[in-house]
Amino acid sequence: GENVEQHPSTLSVQEGDSAVIKCTYSDSASNYFPWYKQELGKRPQLIIDIRSNVGEKKDQRIAVTLNKTAKHFSLHITETQPEDSAVYFCAASKSEGAQKLVFGQGTRLTINP
Amino acid sequence: DGGITQSPKYLFRKEGQNVTLSCEQNLNHDAMYWYRQDPGQGLRLIYYSQIVNDFQKGDIAEGYSVSREKKESFPLTVTSAQKNPTAFYLCASSIGLTRRAKNIQYFGAGTRLSVL
Repeated sequence: GENVEQHPSTLSVQEGDSAVIKCTYSDSASNYFPWYKQELGKRPQLIIDIRSNVGEKKDQRIAVTLNKTAKHFSLHITETQPEDSAVYFCAASKSEGAQKLVFGQGTRLTINP
Repeated sequence: DGGITQSPKYLFRKEGQNVTLSCEQNLNHDAMYWYRQDPGQGLRLIYYSQIVNDFQKGDIAEGYSVSREKKESFPLTVTSAQKNPTAFYLCASSIGLTRRAKNIQYFGAGTRLSVL
């Protein structure tokens, strides 16, 4: 079955700097890759997603890139702000929205003022 | 927030006891899911249901059971066979693959289960 590895497990950056979180997946049939943000004590919320027919997608300060050949995808956050502090999860599935999302282990991002 | 309600927020289980976690949604979603969240392990799928009266095992179904008698409700029972039940349990729902809309999963606020 699908296996998703996420790195790093913790990341600390200065406010205003960029943060990058990377994920690799094992199943070449996976074609949908969402990213979720979970603030302390709150539910995970979708922040951006990408399908395999697209190499990059951007939404304001957040971007996701996908390399199908290498089977990895990354989340990029620019001009980080304190409210970006949270745990971020990547996931992969074989269909959009995924009846079976396989999640990475999560990255705890801390933005230092 | 809203749309998916999980209860209770905190739950304690005694040895040998079955406990049931509630998940209700008013989003008219066809699909519902249960995940278990442990520190450092991300979210793992326990069970999912694509439609009423149908459900499938996820990656870690042993020791758990579900039912889907109503579209709005997808309760999860943690049985005494689950030897390490202490975790944060998240319910999610999505519109479903048969509908012409993006099938994003939306999560409830979770139930934290502990063993006494």
